Amino acid sequence: GQQLNQSPQSMFIQEGEDVSMNCTSSSIFNTWLWYKQDPGEGPVLLIALYKAGELTSNGRLTAQFGITRKDSFLNISASIPSDVGIYFCAGQLRDYGQNFVFGPGTRLSVLP
Amino acid sequence: EAGVVQSPRYKIIEKKQPVAFWCNPISGHNTLYWYRQNLGQGPELLIRYENEEAVDDSQLPKDRFSAERLKGVDSTLKIQPAELGDSAVYLCASSLRSSAYNEQFFGPGTRLTVL
Repeated sequence: GQQLNQSPQSMFIQEGEDVSMNCTSSSIFNTWLWYKQDPGEGPVLLIALYKAGELTSNGRLTAQFGITRKDSFLNISASIPSDVGIYFCAGQLRDYGQNFVFGPGTRLSVLP
Repeated sequence: EAGVVQSPRYKIIEKKQPVAFWCNPISGHNTLYWYRQNLGQGPELLIRYENEEAVDDSQLPKDRFSAERLKGVDSTLKIQPAELGDSAVYLCASSLRSSAYNEQFFGPGTRLTVL
């Protein structure tokens, strides 16, 4: 099946630092969603992207829909302890109807 | 507005036993998804409903898994009999089918442990 790659797989940063993570594929996507999942909870939607090149912010989070339509990026500025969790990207393939494919996640740890 | 509701939150059973999970989507959302999430991985789609119709069940192991959404609102996912490899978190999500927006919202999940 279709696969999404996320990098880095995990990262440790100091509180206050900025974070960048990305999601890539060899397939073309119509929509990108970014989620955060805390332990024992379901994924929570952070940002949705619908157009190539689109740049969207949600507080300290900024995400971009790659121009090639095969990738997306998520940036977190001035990280805080509550940013800890697993960040998933999900892409809706151009010819795949309403289904989304999820990446394996990026695990973020914030050190005080 | 209430989010996606799932129950139970946790379930521990012995192998070969049956188990069922329940999901109530966000009010008005006509699309409902069941996902399975193994430890350290992203969610994987099991089945998607549009109203009461299962429009994609290609990833559902039909020998032991079944699902229903009889009135196009809440849904039940069943496993019978459960196997050790079924231990995972089962997530339900819903969305409002639209040509413009396809945002999926997840419930808290049911963590299944098969002993």
